[in-house]
Amino acid sequence: DTGVSQDPRHKITKRGQNVTFRCDPISEHNRLYWYRQTLGQGPEFLTYFQNEAQLEKSRLLSDRFSAERPKGSFSTLEIQRTEQGDSAMYLCASSSPAGGNTEAFFGQGTRLTVV
Amino acid sequence: LAKTTQPISMDSYEGQEVNITCSHNNIATNDYITWYQQFPSQGPRFIIQGYKTKVTNEVASLFIPADRKSSTLSLPRVSLSDTAVYYCLVGYSSASKIIFGSGTRLSIRP
Repeated sequence: DTGVSQDPRHKITKRGQNVTFRCDPISEHNRLYWYRQTLGQGPEFLTYFQNEAQLEKSRLLSDRFSAERPKGSFSTLEIQRTEQGDSAMYLCASSSPAGGNTEAFFGQGTRLTVV
Repeated sequence: LAKTTQPISMDSYEGQEVNITCSHNNIATNDYITWYQQFPSQGPRFIIQGYKTKVTNEVASLFIPADRKSSTLSLPRVSLSDTAVYYCLVGYSSASKIIFGSGTRLSIRP
């Protein structure tokens, strides 16, 4: 499968714990995005990388959230001291230079439940 | 980034043609119009993209009038499997992010 891969698919954690999600984009896609989606809402933009550089972060991304993309390949999203409000689907997407920002390929997402 | 407005929900029946219209009054000259489809518990999937007039692929058609202030996604002969949320987005390739609205929840009945 050469699509965008996210791991894990599901994560249940206790409030206050730290969690880390991984995203493997399509090979040679230089742009990588993270989104958060809650039930009944469209995906909310969190952050964006071009190669290894994190170029933009949403104001939704509090200090407890951090994302990295070392070497411009896979990316990780860490949430520290999780809160119940962090429960959501976390989506990763990637796009190629040819596709620009409006043609992105999404992974299946990681569903986070904070109890 | 131009904001879009689309119906919250639509219902139709199998075999019908479904048209979902999106308004984007503030679309910029360089902006493209893109539609995504999302099934429950899956990430959005790119359907079609266009700049002006009409674009057609194996999944859908996209109609864009000359003023580009709206667009219509047309799904021919829908089936139950077309039940999903459809998002209309407007943006330019060098912009940094893709912004989703709430989308249109399409329900197809037998």
